Amino acid sequence: KNQVEQSPQSLIILEGKNCTLQCNYTVSPFSNLRWYKQDTGRGPVSLTIMTFSENTKSNGRYTATLDADTKQSSLHITASQLSDSASYICVVSAYGGSQGNLIFGKGTKLSVKP
Amino acid sequence: DAGITQSPRYKITETGRQVTLMCHQTWSHSYMFWYRQDLGHGLRLIYYSAAADITDKGEVPDGYVVSRSKTENFPLTLESATRSQTSVYFCASSEFGTSVDTQYFGPGTRLTVL
Repeated sequence: KNQVEQSPQSLIILEGKNCTLQCNYTVSPFSNLRWYKQDTGRGPVSLTIMTFSENTKSNGRYTATLDADTKQSSLHITASQLSDSASYICVVSAYGGSQGNLIFGKGTKLSVKP
Repeated sequence: DAGITQSPRYKITETGRQVTLMCHQTWSHSYMFWYRQDLGHGLRLIYYSAAADITDKGEVPDGYVVSRSKTENFPLTLESATRSQTSVYFCASSEFGTSVDTQYFGPGTRLTVL
């Protein structure tokens, strides 16, 4: 069964610190992986998307990595800010699939404290 | 630039009542989606539409009805609301609906069924 598992479920860090969120998937055949940021009370917003041939992609202080061999991805946040407090959702798409069958992780809730 | 909007933002109803959640997008995107988000489940697809008058079931369609007579609107109707349909509902749209296409989410509707 295609699944996406995220860890940790929640994380608290101090402002200015770095953190890394994990995403493991069993989706096959793999097409692409996307990270979304969801602020409290709002809809998710896309941060990055990576296809199987990409290892790293950055978006400002956010850097996503992908290891298609081990089926793992990580989202690294550098020099965290209070505005980074949000849930981060990993979404995987199977090759040949449409957006009607994306596989969503349950998300990691990040709290950045001053 | 309105983007994608949902109404109402909050709704309280009683078991057995019919409820319609509205979704409107100004981009003329072909694809539109309805998700529900519950604690412990992440986002789950209810229905999606590839174009006007074309709709398809997602992972959890039971108890819901959709229609799409115009490209920009995609209403979701709960024909006879149940307590298990208490959730936050998100509408999303994407231009082409391919696996690499970005989905843009609305702000959500928080529905409580008493």
